[in-house]
Amino acid sequence: AQTVTQSQPEMSVQEAETVTLSCTYDTSESDYYLFWYKQPPSRQMILVIRQEAYKQQNATENRFSVNFQKAAKSFSLKISDSQLGDAAMYFCAYRISNDMRFGAGTRLTVKP
Amino acid sequence: DSGVTQTPKHLITATGQRVTLRCSPRSGDLSVYWYQQSLDQGLQFLIQYYNGEERAKGNILERFSAQQFPDLHSELNLSSLELGDSALYFCASSASGGADEQYFGPGTRLTVT
Repeated sequence: AQTVTQSQPEMSVQEAETVTLSCTYDTSESDYYLFWYKQPPSRQMILVIRQEAYKQQNATENRFSVNFQKAAKSFSLKISDSQLGDAAMYFCAYRISNDMRFGAGTRLTVKP
Repeated sequence: DSGVTQTPKHLITATGQRVTLRCSPRSGDLSVYWYQQSLDQGLQFLIQYYNGEERAKGNILERFSAQQFPDLHSELNLSSLELGDSALYFCASSASGGADEQYFGPGTRLTVT
């Protein structure tokens, strides 16, 4: 079965510090896409960053970057200079062909 | 604001009833996706439509059905509702329906009593 695992149900970070959220996935496919979505208390799902599996270079979006290890099937999200507005649920997901799978999520708390 | 609209925002109904959730995609987007987010099942992909045609099916129950109309808006029909169908239902849209970015709507909160 194709699955996405987020092993950290909750994480906490001090404002302005860096935090890394973990994600592993299981697939036998070689062509797929990986995503991190943020869901703040408003419940809106917001795309944070995406990575194409065929690209070796790790994606970066401002303070957000990923560490993509294809062989290890690992896709972690690093948030630098954490801000209070980063507090949210973060979901890792992959898309293979027309199938989209999400992890269970990590709740990130940012302490002032 | 993602540009995807969903109505209604909240819906409360009784077991056994039927409801329809509506989604309007972003202007220009041809593909619509439906997701269910519940406490016990997490976020699950239900179904995808592209330009009026069903493209992919996920974990969608037989009691649920969807369609995409010529104006590209979509409706998700949930029938014979059970308590376990209580969830947040998201619609998302994307330009072409491949691996391009999906933009999520604000969701419809369904409560079945």
